[in-house]
Amino acid sequence: EVQLLESGGGLVQPGGSLRLSCAASGFPFSNYAMHWVRQAPGKGLEWVSIMSGIRGSTVYADSVKGRFTISRDNSKNMLYLELNSLRVEDTAVYYCAKANHQPYLDVWGKGTTVTVSS
Amino acid sequence: EIVMTQSPATLSVSPGESATLSCRASQSVNSNLAWYQQKPGQAPRLLISGASTRATGIPARFSGSGSGTEFTLTISSLQSEDFAVYYCQQYNNWPLTFGGGTKVEIK
Repeated sequence: EVQLLESGGGLVQPGGSLRLSCAASGFPFSNYAMHWVRQAPGKGLEWVSIMSGIRGSTVYADSVKGRFTISRDNSKNMLYLELNSLRVEDTAVYYCAKANHQPYLDVWGKGTTVTVSS
Repeated sequence: EIVMTQSPATLSVSPGESATLSCRASQSVNSNLAWYQQKPGQAPRLLISGASTRATGIPARFSGSGSGTEFTLTISSLQSEDFAVYYCQQYNNWPLTFGGGTKVEIK
């Protein structure tokens, strides 16, 4: 069974940093691109970033470009998202999701909550 | 950036009736369109990819159609478990973008 489990969320002050992790299991991790998507409280879904499986190429939403960094460790089946220079508007549930062979999101984790507040 | 617009924002439907949800793209996304279902407190779940291909385990009462800029998700004979928020998403261009969602509620 394909499973994704996020961790690392928490409360952080504006300007602070956080590192989110996503543990993947049940599929050949390195063969698939992986996404991060977020959802602010009471709002819709916002795509954040994607990283390809082998080459490690990345794409970011403009709203996080230069502040967030996606990475992965294929030897550990782990996906990461480094969040820097956090803003109040970054408060959201952050989901990791597996891409299919096209970049739609076919499996989602349960999410981890990031709260940016002073 | 491609803007995805979903309508209506809220749809009130009685159990057993059908629901038709619309999604419009600001420019052509070909058939690179997915639909997701999200229930309160849960992660989204993939329903449809390629505009019309049901994901594994998705009941046949869910059907998708359209191409280019106009897409439709139809849920025939709504069951209690179908009341949720539905999102469309284009994956033809970067950045990927989602619509604002349609909430299907019990009438």
